[in-house]
Amino acid sequence: DTAVSQTPKYLVTQMGNDKSIKCEQNLGHDTMYWYKQDSKKFLKIMFSYNNKELIINETVPNRFSPKSPDKAHLNLHINSLELGDSAVYFCASSLRLAGQETQYFGPGTRLLVL
Amino acid sequence: LAKTTQPISMDSYEGQEVNITCSHNNIATNDYITWYQQFPSQGPRFIIQGYKTKVTNEVASLFIPADRKSSTLSLPRVSLSDTAVYYCLVGITGGFKTIFGAGTRLFVKA
Repeated sequence: DTAVSQTPKYLVTQMGNDKSIKCEQNLGHDTMYWYKQDSKKFLKIMFSYNNKELIINETVPNRFSPKSPDKAHLNLHINSLELGDSAVYFCASSLRLAGQETQYFGPGTRLLVL
Repeated sequence: LAKTTQPISMDSYEGQEVNITCSHNNIATNDYITWYQQFPSQGPRFIIQGYKTKVTNEVASLFIPADRKSSTLSLPRVSLSDTAVYYCLVGITGGFKTIFGAGTRLFVKA
């Protein structure tokens, strides 16, 4: 059973298009994240949600809009895609317990904007 | 959040013990130290976490000196499959903001 799953795995699209990436976790976690990993392999946090509430928005352009319909899902919608959006996007989840936190990452969505 | 500094890359041979040191001079009292491993085309995977002294699990050991300004991830008897990027993270456990540094690219040779 996949703990954190993302769809699609690959996404190739043209500049200016709008696309969505979906993430689901079956771990019962209450916190979910979106990360972006660029070609230089730096992994940067974009958003963090706790119990469906947005907690962190790391100066991400407004073209990126996360949505959490429930604690098990965190989707990412991207409007007006730009070349610089090409990257691997990782979803992650964790359970916020005092003293311990481990993030579980999904397999990633490889986005290529042409 | 505390900034971390790690070597950019390391080479090793199969069967050797590998130690990767991370500096975090500005670590705060409540910060835990966490290490993740990332294989190509995969998401990062939790390896080990600690607050002070030594932590050991089935995969690695984590050594943290008394001043906690650095930590060392120890991988015993590495194999080719341990070739990956290893990230050291420092932050309040349960915090919503996680900062990944550049990581250390470990290359294990036969």
